[in-house]
Amino acid sequence: GDSVTQMEGPVTLSEEAFLTINCTYTATGYPSLFWYVQYPGEGLQLLLKATKADDKGSNKGFEATYRKETTSFHLEKGSVQVSDSAVYFCALSHQGAQKLVFGQGTRLTINP
Amino acid sequence: DTGVSQDPRHKITKRGQNVTFRCDPISEHNRLYWYRQTLGQGPEFLTYFQNEAQLEKSRLLSDRFSAERPKGSFSTLEIQRTEQGDSAMYLCASSLGGGASDTQYFGPGTRLTVL
Repeated sequence: GDSVTQMEGPVTLSEEAFLTINCTYTATGYPSLFWYVQYPGEGLQLLLKATKADDKGSNKGFEATYRKETTSFHLEKGSVQVSDSAVYFCALSHQGAQKLVFGQGTRLTINP
Repeated sequence: DTGVSQDPRHKITKRGQNVTFRCDPISEHNRLYWYRQTLGQGPEFLTYFQNEAQLEKSRLLSDRFSAERPKGSFSTLEIQRTEQGDSAMYLCASSLGGGASDTQYFGPGTRLTVL
């Protein structure tokens, strides 16, 4: 079945550091790919998405590119802020049911 | 747009009791999803509705679990004879239902603790 594997956390960085959170997936066909974020005490929010190979999703300075050849959707940000501290989830969905299959999440802490 | 709401936010119950959770989706959304999230894990799909029809159920949804969406608006998730293993965060999400890239909007969740 479909699955998503994320880089294990927790990840701790200093403010203004470069961030990469790795995400790879196993799926049949051509899923859509998502990054969701969960800030402390809040619900899951969509951060960005990409629907086909080579698409780049971007939002709030975060980017991720849909790489079909490596089945990856790594999340990057050039300069992180303390306010980026949260848990990040990579996910995929298929046409039809569109249920989301999530990775296990990566907890990110940014120190000032 | 008030977002997806869930009630209650927290529920503590004793093993063997029945519990019911409610989800109110965003008003124009046709699809409604239930997920379960345990500590340190990503959410896992339980079931989803297209309007009032329940179209898919996960194998995670044992016979003790039942979900309804009687008028295609709010939904309820009932767990009968709760077990300690049912302790988790139960998340509801809704979407317009327009394709694989359709965005699901999540509620704040109901945290269930079974003693």
